[in-house]
Amino acid sequence: DQQVKQNSPSLSVQEGRISILNCDYTNSMFDYFLWYKKYPAEGPTFLISISSIKDKNEDGRFTVFLNKSAKHLSLHIVPSQPGDSAVYFCAASITPGTYKYIFGTGTRLKVLA
Amino acid sequence: SAVISQKPSRDICQRGTSLTIQCQVDSQVTMMFWYRQQPGQSLTLIATANQGSEATYESGFVIDKFPISRPNLTFSTLTVSNMSPEDSSIYLCSVEPREGQPQHFGDGTRLSIL
Repeated sequence: DQQVKQNSPSLSVQEGRISILNCDYTNSMFDYFLWYKKYPAEGPTFLISISSIKDKNEDGRFTVFLNKSAKHLSLHIVPSQPGDSAVYFCAASITPGTYKYIFGTGTRLKVLA
Repeated sequence: SAVISQKPSRDICQRGTSLTIQCQVDSQVTMMFWYRQQPGQSLTLIATANQGSEATYESGFVIDKFPISRPNLTFSTLTVSNMSPEDSSIYLCSVEPREGQPQHFGDGTRLSIL
């Protein structure tokens, strides 16, 4: 049972435009969500997180939106840059600091120059 | 943030053999974690390793297949035992730099079994 789903395996976006990566979850107990970015031959790098008490968190070009009723979160990258080309994983856990992260299968983002 | 060094970065092994993967952190951390990423799949937690106690394994993973050591607060090893082609994966260690902070990952070990 895949509790965290990223239904788009890949996404291509023109440089300077907005990239929107989506993630759905099924477990209503999840209350902390994270996005990681992964380049080839490197480990995942933490990008941004959001607690369920918020519906938006922003850090520079990256914004995460959380819709609890729909069990859906999205990552917006504005403006997209070629260096953003990577695989993006969303992850969820029950409480902040809890070790058990449940990861989605990832979305490969390609930003075209 | 914690700097994590994982060795080896990749290996090709024969069926039936075992391989030990090392994870070194540049600071003392309480919790270290081992994940597996099978081809085309998500990252799956194998076990949590705390210093001074036995590792806690997730459902589907057992100590006989994936023995883990945690001799101190900066180091851990994961052994993949009696390997078969189904064990071909990327194995990653991660740490929680401070309580409540997001996990930081090593670069992983890409393992192929012939």
